[in-house]
Amino acid sequence: AQTVTQSQPEMSVQEAETVTLSCTYDTSESDYYLFWYKQPPSRQMILVIRQEAYKQQNATENRFSVNFQKAAKSFSLKISDSQLGDAAMYFCASARPNRDDKIIFGKGTRLHILP
Amino acid sequence: NAGVMQNPRHLVRRRGQEARLRCSPMKGHSHVYWYRQLPEEGLKFMVYLQKENIIDESGMPKERFSAEFPKEGPSILRIQQVVRGDSAAYFCASSPGPQYEQYFGPGTRLTVT
Repeated sequence: AQTVTQSQPEMSVQEAETVTLSCTYDTSESDYYLFWYKQPPSRQMILVIRQEAYKQQNATENRFSVNFQKAAKSFSLKISDSQLGDAAMYFCASARPNRDDKIIFGKGTRLHILP
Repeated sequence: NAGVMQNPRHLVRRRGQEARLRCSPMKGHSHVYWYRQLPEEGLKFMVYLQKENIIDESGMPKERFSAEFPKEGPSILRIQQVVRGDSAAYFCASSPGPQYEQYFGPGTRLTVT
């Protein structure tokens, strides 16, 4: 079974600083995807970044980057130059594209941006 | 290109009533997924449908819940005889097929009084 664990229920960061959100996962699959989703107060789920397990290079999207440690089953999200609009719930998630395609979510980390 | 649409956005039902949640996938998408988010929790998979077929319903409660995705029209998640514990946000996502990115709708917040 797949599991995704986020051990930080809440985090705070000063505006313009860098913050790292932690995530660990467990899977017996060799082929899987990992994601970070953002859920602002509007509740809309927004895909922030996606990583294919077979790719060694860490994915980046503008100010967002991941540190994918496959052996350790760790997938952390780094947000650089934090902005007020980054305040949201962040969910780490995984999927098995060749099995059932459903996305398994962690419980989330609530990120506060301090002005 | 309109995104995934869900309606209603908010639904209030009394205990024992039926709730019908609708999801219109993005144009060209024939795969629909339903997820439930309880307060202060992550989303949990409920059911995966393709047009006229249920592919995976392993996350669906065995009783009172059903889902369909007919050849024409939106996907429907139906909850019969709702109870307080059904209060949650229900999200629909769509994709053109397996292994493609799932695009999420804005969710329907169901409140059972």
